[in-house]
Amino acid sequence: QSALTQPPSASGSPGQSVTISCTGTSSDIGKYKYVSWYQHHPGKAPKLMIYDVNKRPSGVPDRFSGSKSGNTASLTVSGLQAEDEADYYCASYGALGIFGSGTKVTVL
Amino acid sequence: EVQLVESGGGLVQPGGSLRLSCAASGFTFDAYWMTWVRQAPGKGLERMANIKNDGSETWYVDSVKGRFTISRDNAKNSLYLQMNGLRAEDTALYFCARDVGWQQFDSWGQGTLVTVSS
Repeated sequence: QSALTQPPSASGSPGQSVTISCTGTSSDIGKYKYVSWYQHHPGKAPKLMIYDVNKRPSGVPDRFSGSKSGNTASLTVSGLQAEDEADYYCASYGALGIFGSGTKVTVL
Repeated sequence: EVQLVESGGGLVQPGGSLRLSCAASGFTFDAYWMTWVRQAPGKGLERMANIKNDGSETWYVDSVKGRFTISRDNAKNSLYLQMNGLRAEDTALYFCARDVGWQQFDSWGQGTLVTVSS
């Protein structure tokens, strides 16, 4: 059981935007600026997409952006591409289990 | 280039043991906390254990406390997970990951599959 709650699924057409929410509490997302997001294609290594709420590691396209408001963090993928279809997990320092429940993003 | 390569997974009977290894390269291994994360079939990511860069501190998720032991050999740039008393619910793909601070993980291995079944 994850302490961070994500919607099980999200979808969008190529070129559109999709936003994934990650709801925590005042003890994790609401307290710390250490929220990260991971892209996971099944059977492959997860990939860090966002760290420190809104920073992108080198090599991650600027189509991926992160934000936080109160106890909820969000990941937005703009200009959806076929290769963006994957599972996405949020994580926060202080959260029970660290990782969220995961969201499957489908590109229609 | 940072690389993490897990090994040691396989099929084991309930109650059995396995030792997973994670070989690290491309970075100063002894400067980083390291973590084991697993994904059971059809489930999400679960942080299981982590270890401080010098090995002096460890943490375990409640479900594996007393059964699993995380360790590292900085001279060999290697991370380990000794798993004893394995249960069917330990069946999962096990990943090692590098912690770049505040439990944010920037590098992951491809994973090694552990199947616990009779």
